[in-house]
Amino acid sequence: GQQLNQSPQSMFIQEGEDVSMNCTSSSIFNTWLWYKQDPGEGPVLLIALYKAGELTSNGRLTAQFGITRKDSFLNISASIPSDVGIYFCAGRGGSNYKLTFGKGTLLTVNP
Amino acid sequence: DTAVSQTPKYLVTQMGNDKSIKCEQNLGHDTMYWYKQDSKKFLKIMFSYNNKELIINETVPNRFSPKSPDKAHLNLHINSLELGDSAVYFCASSQQLGLAVHIQYFGAGTRLSVL
Repeated sequence: GQQLNQSPQSMFIQEGEDVSMNCTSSSIFNTWLWYKQDPGEGPVLLIALYKAGELTSNGRLTAQFGITRKDSFLNISASIPSDVGIYFCAGRGGSNYKLTFGKGTLLTVNP
Repeated sequence: DTAVSQTPKYLVTQMGNDKSIKCEQNLGHDTMYWYKQDSKKFLKIMFSYNNKELIINETVPNRFSPKSPDKAHLNLHINSLELGDSAVYFCASSQQLGLAVHIQYFGAGTRLSVL
């Protein structure tokens, strides 16, 4: 089946720093999604990407759909303590419904 | 109003018991899902229903049985609980409308502990 490699597995940064994380796939995806999970909560959608090369921003967050359709990255600028959480990439291949999730990036922001 | 709500939030039970987790969404979505998140936070799809019809059934022990009485509800019944069933179970829903079918909205999770 499709697999997603998400890196890094974890990050420890200082408040104000920029952060970058990415996902790569062994096969082509048609949609990339980025979610954030706070402790004790479910994942919440941050950004959705639908076209190869698409670059989309949501406040301090920017994500891109790789031109090869096999990768995506998420950048967070000027991190703040509430950015702490687990960030998941998710991709859709041929199925209309099935999302494949990356293993997550645990972000810790030191004030 | 909570868009996707699961009950209970916490479930502690003994090995061998049978338990159910309920999920309801008030978003008017056509499709609902159950995911399992293990201790390493890996999210794995288990089941999906579209308009009460099973459309995704991953390799899950048949002790797990989903039931969708209507498109706003998807319940998960687990028979003969085992230690390895301990995890967080997430319900999610999505709408089949153009590209938006791919955006899944998650509940807050049910933390199952099997002792």
